Amino acid sequence: ETVLTQSPASLSLSPGDRATLSCRASQTDSSRYLAWYQVKPGQSPRLLIYAASTRATGIPDRFSGSGSGTDFTLSITRLEPEDFAVYYCQQYGGSPYTFGQGTKLELK
Amino acid sequence: QVQLVQSGAEVKMPGSSVKVSCKASGGDFRSYSFNWVRQAPGLGLEWMGGIIPYFGTPNYAPKFQGRLTITADESTSTAYMELKKVTSEDTAVYFCARDGAGTPLAFVFWGQGTLVTVSS
Repeated sequence: ETVLTQSPASLSLSPGDRATLSCRASQTDSSRYLAWYQVKPGQSPRLLIYAASTRATGIPDRFSGSGSGTDFTLSITRLEPEDFAVYYCQQYGGSPYTFGQGTKLELK
Repeated sequence: QVQLVQSGAEVKMPGSSVKVSCKASGGDFRSYSFNWVRQAPGLGLEWMGGIIPYFGTPNYAPKFQGRLTITADESTSTAYMELKKVTSEDTAVYFCARDGAGTPLAFVFWGQGTLVTVSS
């Protein structure tokens, strides 16, 4: 089973700042089957990035994903008030499809 | 426009079973991967298992093997998740999620979630 470790656990930033979230996998995934989701309280998760770096339909270009192998990054430039949420990475290259423990992006 | 509509909240006694449905509309039901993800209070997302109706064979996370049954009914475009012998640790919001034509295996469509509370 691939374990995903996200860092930091929480991040306090202000609107207009840049956020950098990390996701490290315990095993190499050469297929880059890595996704990022945004979760807000009381809502269903929202797919932001798939295949490590491809934005899902309708996702603003201030969200970008990068990385390969075991190290992946979600970057959010020019934070908007609606971006403060919890972010999860997920690998779907091999079963079981595991999630990281999440990074909470908090308003400073 | 793909929509996933889940069944309503459930309250279950410890040791009983719970079955949650996920009715899909829009798109080809049998060709996509339907998955179940849960989120316990204050905790993160946890993938439980999934099924591609065309193939019919479900895939389960080892943690749930033996206790979880995922099925799909093509005649009603509905996926099901049944969890047996529930305990208080199974109290969570359960989501169904489906991949997309351009996003194989990534969960682009989500149901609204079903709260399952296990309590005596």
